[in-house]
Amino acid sequence: SQQGEEDPQALSIQEGENATMNCSYKTSINNLQWYRQNSGRGLVHLILIRSNEREKHSGRLRVTLDTSKKSSSLLITASRAADTASYFCATVPDTGANSKLTFGKGITLSVRP
Amino acid sequence: KAGVTQTPRYLIKTRGQQVTLSCSPISGHRSVSWYQQTPGQGLQFLFEYFSETQRNKGNFPGRFSGRQFSNSRSEMNVSTLELGDSALYLCASSWGSMGVWGEAFFGQGTRLTVV
Repeated sequence: SQQGEEDPQALSIQEGENATMNCSYKTSINNLQWYRQNSGRGLVHLILIRSNEREKHSGRLRVTLDTSKKSSSLLITASRAADTASYFCATVPDTGANSKLTFGKGITLSVRP
Repeated sequence: KAGVTQTPRYLIKTRGQQVTLSCSPISGHRSVSWYQQTPGQGLQFLFEYFSETQRNKGNFPGRFSGRQFSNSRSEMNVSTLELGDSALYLCASSWGSMGVWGEAFFGQGTRLTVV
């Protein structure tokens, strides 16, 4: 079963605009991660935020985490056509050594040139 | 260094057959996880191996099994294939317990089609 649920399911924006994607989860987490997947290929890690962090930046990416609301958001600024992909949030529950990395169903982002 | 390598990339099998997929993790990584990805169910966790021991198992029938060798390479096996097993199977590796200490590195996947 999915731990994280992304919102919206699909997003279409113009090149240059910002894209905001949200993720909600159910149980306490050790960390939350965002991944990108280009059509039918493997996932690429984008950013990891730990439960004691509130915000992280990496290039054009900004991730926030609100553990009280059990939610996270991923902001991609100044989007490019090459950002077109599926984006997944993944969580690692705070249950010790046997925690597993669990993914949401993903968001399909289309960036129009 | 080399990334995660999955073989084969594409596979077509007939219902009732069995299949073995292979995953070579990044050198030095001890944890390997397998995921099944389908349009309807998304990414479903199959199992995680750490230092040759199965650490976690997802909610899949016993037809799905796996193992990890002493060099951390992993295989997963699906017996008595069903049409619903058609999916992209992804392997991921990490140094420590998957995702706990850092990112997971994914292979390109094996696309399995059952006819």
